[in-house]
Amino acid sequence: AQRVTQPEKLLSVFKGAPVELKCNYSYSGSPELFWYVQYSRQRLQLLLRHISRESIKGFTADLNKGETSFHLKKPFAQEEDSAMYYCALFAGNNRKLIWGLGTSLAVNP
Amino acid sequence: SQTIHQWPATLVQPVGSPLSLECTVEGTSNPNLYWYRQAAGRGLQLLFYSVGIGQISSEVPQNLSASRPQDRQFILSSKKLLLSDSGFYLCAWSVLGSGFNLPLHFGNGTRLTVT
Repeated sequence: AQRVTQPEKLLSVFKGAPVELKCNYSYSGSPELFWYVQYSRQRLQLLLRHISRESIKGFTADLNKGETSFHLKKPFAQEEDSAMYYCALFAGNNRKLIWGLGTSLAVNP
Repeated sequence: SQTIHQWPATLVQPVGSPLSLECTVEGTSNPNLYWYRQAAGRGLQLLFYSVGIGQISSEVPQNLSASRPQDRQFILSSKKLLLSDSGFYLCAWSVLGSGFNLPLHFGNGTRLTVT
């Protein structure tokens, strides 16, 4: 079955500390993965997609097919990174996005 | 540039009353359109999606329905609201046929409270 797991509901770190938001997926095909972010009082928006292999706002995410993971990382967290983060898997055979339950990141001063 | 409008932003409705939430997209043609519900502790749940006018796919059996009367208009409806329909509803669009290039573009959402 296709599934996305974000094991942490809430992650709290101090400003300047490294942060890693975990995402594991279950999918038999070739995965297409995304990270979406929702800042307070803003709309849900795309942060990263693995095919782009880019760094956005200092965040990176590497697809690890062996571990079936797509963890989101940032070496030095900033207070403005506080938000809700969702990992999503695009299941190409039925054209749907499978969503994780989200991780709320709180970066404390 | 493309924009998506969703209204109202908040809505309080009594049980048994009808519902109509509207979403429109500007600046693009033939988008894929989606209705999601975001519930605390349950993440994002896809309710309906549409790949064209009059084409609606329902993902979960429920008290809601969707319609796409025009290319860039997507409406979420209910004839009689239940308490369990309370939640945060998000409209989204993506490029038709985008496949692996999709991102989803979300509206600001509607907070529905059924009392």
